[in-house]
Amino acid sequence: AQSVTQLDSHVSVSEGTPVLLRCNYSSSYSPSLFWYVQHPNKGLQLLLKYTSAATLVKGINGFEAEFKKSETSFHLTKPSAHMSDAAEYFCVVSEPWGYQKVTFGTGTKLQVIP
Amino acid sequence: DADVTQTPRNRITKTGKRIMLECSQTKGHDRMYWYRQDPGLGLQLIYYSFDVKDINKGEISDGYSVSRQAQAKFSLSLESAIPNQTALYFCATSDSGGAQETQYFGPGTRLLVL
Repeated sequence: AQSVTQLDSHVSVSEGTPVLLRCNYSSSYSPSLFWYVQHPNKGLQLLLKYTSAATLVKGINGFEAEFKKSETSFHLTKPSAHMSDAAEYFCVVSEPWGYQKVTFGTGTKLQVIP
Repeated sequence: DADVTQTPRNRITKTGKRIMLECSQTKGHDRMYWYRQDPGLGLQLIYYSFDVKDINKGEISDGYSVSRQAQAKFSLSLESAIPNQTALYFCATSDSGGAQETQYFGPGTRLLVL
């Protein structure tokens, strides 16, 4: 069975400082991993995805994530936070299971302090 | 994502009422999904459909039914709404699967059952 754990339910950073949102996963297969962002009262937007190509994945809005198989982690980072980054972020693991079974983490709310 | 639309965006209903949430997509994808989001729980899969004639139950299908009227349309019904169905509902689409499969989400429907 697959699972995903987002280690922090809330993260608070100052504008201009680095962002680190942590995600650990477990999977019996070689999973695909995703980060989605949800702004208040908005839908889910795909930030980036890992599908067994390069382990360092670059996404939109300056975000990137590194797949570390030995640590079963897929942490999301950004060098410098912007006010517009304040949102909830979801780590997602996906593996083939009849349909492409998708498991969402419980989310990390990012607060950016001016 | 404007390619996946959901109606209504917000709905208040009473216990016992039947309601329908609608989803339309212009991405030309075969696969469509319905999820519900509860605070602190991530997203849970209700139903999914691989094409018009292929509909499957997800993790939490009790109390829900779906209809795939066309490739582009996938409706979710609550036959007799109850308060614990109060949640944010998302429709998603994806292409034909495999390791590259990515789900694209609509803006969500916020449902309150009184």
